[in-house]
Amino acid sequence: KAGVTQTPRYLIKTRGQQVTLSCSPISGHRSVSWYQQTPGQGLQFLFEYFSETQRNKGNFPGRFSGRQFSNSRSEMNVSTLELGDSALYLCASSLAAANTDTQYFGPGTRLTVL
Amino acid sequence: GENVEQHPSTLSVQEGDSAVIKCTYSDSASNYFPWYKQELGKRPQLIIDIRSNVGEKKDQRIAVTLNKTAKHFSLHITETQPEDSAVYFCAASIGSYQKVTFGTGTKLQVIP
Repeated sequence: KAGVTQTPRYLIKTRGQQVTLSCSPISGHRSVSWYQQTPGQGLQFLFEYFSETQRNKGNFPGRFSGRQFSNSRSEMNVSTLELGDSALYLCASSLAAANTDTQYFGPGTRLTVL
Repeated sequence: GENVEQHPSTLSVQEGDSAVIKCTYSDSASNYFPWYKQELGKRPQLIIDIRSNVGEKKDQRIAVTLNKTAKHFSLHITETQPEDSAVYFCAASIGSYQKVTFGTGTKLQVIP
């Protein structure tokens, strides 16, 4: 099976712009989670989707949003970009709904905000 | 919300020695504790996990222990090898949905 894929792999944006990141989970996986990874804060949970529904949300401002499609692919959107949004954005997929299901991470999208 | 603290932030060991990474969590309702390894420039990968009803789990050279009373869990790597060099993250999860809180990571360096 193909692993989790993310597009694009690299992005450079300027402050005030918006960006959309995409995540394709492993075939058959229905849960997709998003994380922000920075050197100072480590891995921080953004949100999780299952069957097109957001089930959990982390402590991020409303500028961060996401959605999941019927084929389980997920997108994450960040509006009005700030310098502090520069980070590696990782998505992870798991088979079903339980928190004990193994999460498989994608390679990440490196976002740089200038 | 849940808070996970991880120590040390960096760890250097000689090849063949053991390495121990310790984490504490704040919410006694946490019921699942995975550990991830992230090599430089690569994605995190699950290496071992433990559920709250288990005190210890072992997989070859890697073991994890959990002390629910102290809200403390640890990763033990024995007979370390250079390929064990990476950043290791502990994590805790509450309830039945995927909402994982990660520790800040430990950079392990195994010196040949």
